[in-house]
Amino acid sequence: QVQLVQSGSEVKKPGASVKVSCVASGYTFSNYGFNWVRQAPGQGLEWMGWITTYNGNTNYAQKFQGRVTMTTATSTRTAYMELRSLTSDDTAVYYCAREGRYTGTSSYWGQGTLVTVSS
Amino acid sequence: NFMLTQPHSVSESPGKTVTISCTRSSGSIASNYVLWYQQRPGSAPRTLIYEDNERPSGVPDRFSGSLDISSNSASLIISGLKTEDEADYYCQSYDSSIHVIFGGGTKLTVL
Repeated sequence: QVQLVQSGSEVKKPGASVKVSCVASGYTFSNYGFNWVRQAPGQGLEWMGWITTYNGNTNYAQKFQGRVTMTTATSTRTAYMELRSLTSDDTAVYYCAREGRYTGTSSYWGQGTLVTVSS
Repeated sequence: NFMLTQPHSVSESPGKTVTISCTRSSGSIASNYVLWYQQRPGSAPRTLIYEDNERPSGVPDRFSGSLDISSNSASLIISGLKTEDEADYYCQSYDSSIHVIFGGGTKLTVL
């Protein structure tokens, strides 16, 4: 069965960077891309961007342009999301989600990674 | 870009049917697929409906999705409500640039 296992919680200081990983199993890794979605405490879901696995193409939400980098490593079946210049507004749970048949859709979700930004 | 508007909250009794709407602000609701996600407290989202009205394996047929072109909206219909259905529900679609757009979420209370 498809599984996405994300890295553990992180505590970062303002101005720092965080890199969240998402290890996939149970399907052909290169056949599906990933969406990254975050959720601030008590808030709704916010899309950050997606990445394809077969050629590494990315599409970031305008809000995160210049501050986020999404990558994948086929050899380890891992997707990564790095967010730089963190502020307290970036405190959130970050989710990876494997896309469905079409780009822009999500079928399977990771368990989430809590990133806390605090001085 | 368009917006997806959902009611902030809905409530219904166990065994009843509830409908959660998701209205697209501009462009046709049928232009791009609509998905629905369920998020129970403290858990990750789970895909309930994809491609407007398809259910992933393992999702009970009590959950269904539909489009209403006249109101430019999508709906999630949950029949035979159970207390375990109490959760937040999000609709999602995408624009022509494949930018993903989420609705604000609807809190379902089963009382």
